Amino acid sequence: SYVLTQPPSVSVAPGKTATITCGGYNIGTERVHWYQQKPGQAPVLVISYDRDRPSGISERIAGSKSGNTATLTVSRVEAGDEADYYCQVWDSGSDQLVFGGGTKLTVL
Amino acid sequence: EVQMVQSGAEVKKPGESLRISCKGSGYNFANWWIGWVRQMPGKGLEWMGLIYPGDSDARYSPSFQGHVAFSVDTSINTAYLQWSSLKASDTAMYFCARLYYYDSSKMFDSWGQGTLVTVSS
Repeated sequence: SYVLTQPPSVSVAPGKTATITCGGYNIGTERVHWYQQKPGQAPVLVISYDRDRPSGISERIAGSKSGNTATLTVSRVEAGDEADYYCQVWDSGSDQLVFGGGTKLTVL
Repeated sequence: EVQMVQSGAEVKKPGESLRISCKGSGYNFANWWIGWVRQMPGKGLEWMGLIYPGDSDARYSPSFQGHVAFSVDTSINTAYLQWSSLKASDTAMYFCARLYYYDSSKMFDSWGQGTLVTVSS
Protein backbone atom coordinates (compact mmCIF):
# COMPACT_ATOMS: atom_id res chain seq x y z
CA SER A 1 0.00 0.00 0.00
CA TYR A 2 0.98 3.61 -0.52
CA VAL A 3 3.14 5.14 2.22
CA LEU A 4 3.58 8.82 3.07
CA THR A 5 6.60 9.73 5.18
CA GLN A 6 6.72 12.80 7.44
CA PRO A 7 9.30 13.84 10.04
CA PRO A 8 7.91 13.15 13.53
CA SER A 9 8.70 16.64 14.78
CA VAL A 10 9.75 20.11 13.69
CA SER A 11 10.72 22.92 16.05
CA VAL A 12 10.90 26.59 15.16
CA ALA A 13 11.26 29.90 16.98
CA PRO A 14 8.42 32.42 16.89
CA GLY A 15 8.50 34.61 13.81
CA LYS A 16 10.53 32.10 11.79
CA THR A 17 9.41 29.75 9.03
CA ALA A 18 8.47 26.11 9.65
CA THR A 19 8.84 23.58 6.85
CA ILE A 20 7.12 20.20 7.04
CA THR A 21 7.82 17.62 4.35
CA CYS A 22 5.80 14.68 3.05
CA GLY A 23 7.46 12.07 0.88
CA GLY A 24 5.94 9.31 -1.18
CA TYR A 25 6.58 7.26 -4.31
CA ASN A 26 5.69 9.32 -7.35
CA ILE A 27 3.98 11.89 -5.12
CA GLY A 28 4.49 14.31 -7.99
CA THR A 29 1.59 12.58 -9.74
CA GLU A 30 -0.69 12.71 -6.67
CA ARG A 31 -2.74 15.57 -5.31
CA VAL A 32 -1.63 16.25 -1.72
CA HIS A 33 -3.85 17.62 1.03
CA TRP A 34 -2.81 18.85 4.50
CA TYR A 35 -4.61 18.93 7.84
CA GLN A 36 -3.85 20.76 11.08
CA GLN A 37 -4.87 19.14 14.38
CA LYS A 38 -4.51 21.15 17.57
CA PRO A 39 -4.51 19.31 20.93
CA GLY A 40 -7.95 18.00 21.83
CA GLN A 41 -9.51 19.12 18.56
CA ALA A 42 -10.60 17.58 15.28
CA PRO A 43 -8.37 17.95 12.22
CA VAL A 44 -8.92 20.94 9.97
CA LEU A 45 -8.15 21.04 6.26
CA VAL A 46 -5.55 23.77 5.67
CA ILE A 47 -4.26 22.98 2.16
CA SER A 48 -6.02 21.07 -0.63
CA TYR A 49 -4.77 20.02 -4.04
CA ASP A 50 -1.13 20.72 -3.24
CA ARG A 51 -1.43 24.47 -2.73
CA ASP A 52 -5.04 25.69 -2.43
CA ARG A 53 -5.99 27.35 0.84
CA PRO A 54 -9.61 26.91 1.97
CA SER A 55 -11.51 29.98 3.03
CA GLY A 56 -10.54 31.16 6.49
CA ILE A 57 -7.09 29.58 6.55
CA SER A 58 -4.21 31.92 7.34
CA GLU A 59 -2.18 33.20 4.38
CA ARG A 60 0.90 32.27 6.40
CA ILE A 61 0.21 28.62 5.50
CA ALA A 62 1.29 27.48 2.06
CA GLY A 63 1.69 24.20 0.20
CA SER A 64 4.05 23.21 -2.59
CA LYS A 65 5.40 20.13 -4.28
CA SER A 66 8.63 19.23 -6.06
CA GLY A 67 9.85 15.86 -7.21
CA ASN A 68 8.91 13.19 -4.66
CA THR A 69 8.27 15.65 -1.83
CA ALA A 70 5.30 17.80 -0.87
CA THR A 71 5.95 20.64 1.56
CA LEU A 72 3.83 22.60 4.00
CA THR A 73 5.28 25.96 4.99
CA VAL A 74 4.14 28.04 7.93
CA SER A 75 5.57 31.55 7.81
CA ARG A 76 6.01 33.95 10.72
CA VAL A 77 5.20 31.17 13.12
CA GLU A 78 3.09 31.98 16.19
CA ALA A 79 2.41 30.04 19.38
CA GLY A 80 -1.07 29.26 18.04
CA ASP A 81 0.44 27.29 15.15
CA GLU A 82 1.55 24.53 17.53
CA ALA A 83 -0.24 21.44 16.28
CA ASP A 84 0.12 18.13 14.53
CA TYR A 85 0.13 18.37 10.74
CA TYR A 86 -0.84 15.47 8.44
CA CYS A 87 -0.44 15.09 4.71
CA GLN A 88 -2.90 12.92 2.78
CA VAL A 89 -3.42 11.51 -0.70
CA TRP A 90 -6.03 9.37 -2.43
CA ASP A 91 -4.30 6.27 -3.79
CA SER A 92 -6.35 5.57 -6.91
CA GLY A 93 -4.44 2.34 -7.55
CA SER A 94 -5.87 0.73 -4.42
CA ASP A 95 -8.86 3.05 -3.90
CA GLN A 96 -7.66 3.99 -0.44
CA LEU A 97 -7.19 7.25 1.40
CA VAL A 98 -3.73 7.48 2.95
CA PHE A 99 -2.46 9.73 5.75
CA GLY A 100 1.13 10.49 6.56
CA GLY A 101 2.30 9.68 10.07
CA GLY A 102 1.99 13.29 11.17
CA THR A 103 4.47 15.97 12.23
CA LYS A 104 4.34 17.73 15.57
CA LEU A 105 5.17 21.41 15.15
CA THR A 106 6.65 22.90 18.33
CA VAL A 107 7.09 26.65 18.73
CA LEU A 108 10.14 27.27 20.89
CA GLU B 1 -22.66 26.00 6.82
CA VAL B 2 -21.66 22.35 6.65
CA GLN B 3 -21.61 20.67 10.07
CA MET B 4 -20.86 17.14 11.22
CA VAL B 5 -21.99 16.44 14.78
CA GLN B 6 -21.05 13.21 16.48
CA SER B 7 -22.52 11.39 19.45
CA GLY B 8 -20.97 11.56 22.89
CA ALA B 9 -18.21 9.60 24.58
CA GLU B 10 -18.79 5.92 25.34
CA VAL B 11 -17.35 3.57 27.95
CA LYS B 12 -17.84 -0.11 27.21
CA LYS B 13 -16.62 -3.53 28.32
CA PRO B 14 -14.81 -6.00 26.04
CA GLY B 15 -17.27 -8.09 24.08
CA GLU B 16 -20.02 -5.49 24.15
CA SER B 17 -21.54 -3.99 21.01
CA LEU B 18 -21.60 -0.28 20.18
CA ARG B 19 -22.94 2.11 17.56
CA ILE B 20 -21.80 5.74 17.34
CA SER B 21 -23.36 8.35 15.12
CA CYS B 22 -22.51 11.31 12.90
CA LYS B 23 -25.20 13.76 11.79
CA GLY B 24 -24.58 15.94 8.77
CA SER B 25 -26.30 19.26 8.12
CA GLY B 26 -26.01 22.26 5.82
CA TYR B 27 -25.70 20.19 2.64
CA ASN B 28 -27.44 17.42 0.67
CA PHE B 29 -26.50 14.51 2.95
CA ALA B 30 -27.41 11.75 0.48
CA ASN B 31 -25.05 12.99 -2.23
CA TRP B 32 -21.73 13.12 -0.35
CA TRP B 33 -19.55 10.24 0.82
CA ILE B 34 -18.78 10.13 4.55
CA GLY B 35 -15.57 8.73 5.92
CA TRP B 36 -14.49 7.39 9.30
CA VAL B 37 -11.06 7.96 10.82
CA ARG B 38 -9.54 6.36 13.92
CA GLN B 39 -7.00 8.03 16.20
CA MET B 40 -5.60 5.84 18.94
CA PRO B 41 -4.26 7.56 22.06
CA GLY B 42 -1.18 9.60 21.20
CA LYS B 43 -1.11 8.30 17.63
CA GLY B 44 -1.84 9.50 14.11
CA LEU B 45 -4.87 9.41 11.85
CA GLU B 46 -5.96 6.10 10.29
CA TRP B 47 -8.52 5.91 7.49
CA MET B 48 -11.18 3.29 8.22
CA GLY B 49 -13.35 3.60 5.14
CA LEU B 50 -16.23 5.37 3.40
CA ILE B 51 -19.97 5.09 2.95
CA TYR B 52 -22.22 6.73 0.37
CA PRO B 53 -25.53 7.63 2.00
CA GLY B 54 -27.43 7.66 -1.29
CA ASP B 55 -27.21 3.87 -1.72
CA SER B 56 -25.29 2.71 1.40
CA ASP B 57 -22.33 1.64 -0.74
CA ALA B 58 -19.53 1.04 1.79
CA ARG B 59 -15.80 0.73 1.21
CA TYR B 60 -13.53 -0.47 3.99
CA SER B 61 -9.82 -0.12 4.54
CA PRO B 62 -8.28 -3.61 4.57
CA SER B 63 -7.11 -2.89 8.12
CA PHE B 64 -10.70 -2.54 9.34
CA GLN B 65 -12.65 -4.85 7.00
CA GLY B 66 -14.62 -7.34 9.06
CA HIS B 67 -14.04 -5.52 12.36
CA VAL B 68 -16.48 -2.63 11.97
CA ALA B 69 -19.58 -1.83 9.95
CA PHE B 70 -20.87 1.41 8.45
CA SER B 71 -24.52 2.28 7.95
CA VAL B 72 -26.70 5.32 7.31
CA ASP B 73 -30.21 6.59 7.89
CA THR B 74 -30.90 9.24 5.28
CA SER B 75 -34.26 10.14 6.87
CA ILE B 76 -32.32 11.75 9.72
CA ASN B 77 -29.09 12.57 7.84
CA THR B 78 -27.04 10.31 10.10
CA ALA B 79 -24.19 7.90 9.51
CA TYR B 80 -23.19 5.17 11.95
CA LEU B 81 -20.07 3.24 12.88
CA GLN B 82 -20.67 0.02 14.76
CA TRP B 83 -18.90 -2.86 16.44
CA SER B 84 -20.48 -6.20 17.34
CA SER B 85 -17.82 -7.19 19.85
CA LEU B 86 -15.47 -4.54 21.19
CA LYS B 87 -11.87 -5.16 22.20
CA ALA B 88 -9.63 -3.10 24.45
CA SER B 89 -7.62 -2.22 21.35
CA ASP B 90 -10.69 -0.38 19.96
CA THR B 91 -10.08 2.35 22.55
CA ALA B 92 -9.61 5.47 20.46
CA MET B 93 -11.10 8.72 19.22
CA TYR B 94 -13.25 8.24 16.12
CA PHE B 95 -13.93 11.03 13.65
CA CYS B 96 -16.43 11.22 10.82
CA ALA B 97 -15.80 13.60 7.94
CA ARG B 98 -17.38 14.61 4.65
CA LEU B 99 -15.49 13.52 1.56
CA TYR B 100 -14.84 16.04 -1.18
CA TYR B 101 -13.62 14.81 -4.53
CA TYR B 102 -12.54 16.48 -7.73
CA ASP B 103 -9.99 15.81 -10.41
CA SER B 104 -9.36 12.17 -9.39
CA SER B 105 -8.44 13.07 -5.81
CA LYS B 106 -10.38 12.93 -2.57
CA MET B 107 -10.06 14.61 0.82
CA PHE B 108 -12.08 15.44 3.92
CA ASP B 109 -13.36 19.01 3.88
CA SER B 110 -15.48 19.00 7.05
CA TRP B 111 -14.96 16.96 10.21
CA GLY B 112 -17.02 15.96 13.20
CA GLN B 113 -15.76 16.81 16.68
CA GLY B 114 -14.89 13.18 17.42
CA THR B 115 -16.31 10.44 19.66
CA LEU B 116 -14.08 8.95 22.33
CA VAL B 117 -14.61 5.22 22.78
CA THR B 118 -13.07 3.58 25.84
CA VAL B 119 -13.14 -0.20 26.16
CA SER B 120 -12.10 -1.50 29.55
CA SER B 121 -13.06 -4.31 31.87
